[in-house]
Amino acid sequence: DIQMTQSPSSLSASVGDRVTITCRASQSIGNYLNWYQQKPGKAPKVLIYAASSLQSGVPSRFSGSGSGTDFSFTISSLQPEDFATYYCQQSYSVPNTFGQGTKLEIK
Amino acid sequence: EVQLVESGGGLVQPGGSLRLSCAVSGFTFSSYAMHWVRQAPGKGLDFVSGISTNGDTTYYAKSVEGRFTISRDNSKNTLHLQMGSLRVADMAVYYCVRVPRVERQGYYYSYMDVWGKGTTVTVSS
Repeated sequence: DIQMTQSPSSLSASVGDRVTITCRASQSIGNYLNWYQQKPGKAPKVLIYAASSLQSGVPSRFSGSGSGTDFSFTISSLQPEDFATYYCQQSYSVPNTFGQGTKLEIK
Repeated sequence: EVQLVESGGGLVQPGGSLRLSCAVSGFTFSSYAMHWVRQAPGKGLDFVSGISTNGDTTYYAKSVEGRFTISRDNSKNTLHLQMGSLRVADMAVYYCVRVPRVERQGYYYSYMDVWGKGTTVTVSS
């Protein structure tokens, strides 16, 4: 199975900050990388698919980049509603696998 | 409105069985692959199983292979997960997830775009 490693595992930031989360795959996965946001007690929500495509309805402050084994996810200006846990997920091969998550907390 | 509604969770003893169901509405069920994803208390997301649009292809996480069976009934717009030989480690919220496939620059990509609210499986004696 492909292993997905996110960093950092947790992050403290302030409203208005620019934050970046990275995700590394244990083998090349092309652009087959998705990003999800999950708030406590809620189901995850897809933000970015195919490494850099913004899901319909998702604000443009969210973006993704990368290919092969190294990917990044950026929030350009943090809003109060963005404090949540973020996961990367590869869809290159089955079983699809997730990163361990990055918890974004208010500083 | 697109909806996925899971049911069938509950308390079961180690070694027991449960059958989860997911009733879908608001879209053409037979046009989408479907997944089950779980989340243990306080933990991250864990892919469990997936099934192709017509049910011919199924796949499983190694941790559940041989114990769980995914199936679908396109005539009833329903997804199932038959779980057997349950372990404490299987205790989690189980989500039913829709998986579209989109084309970008000649390549097809899949992702999980609609999630149910989840059903809780508790494994305890």
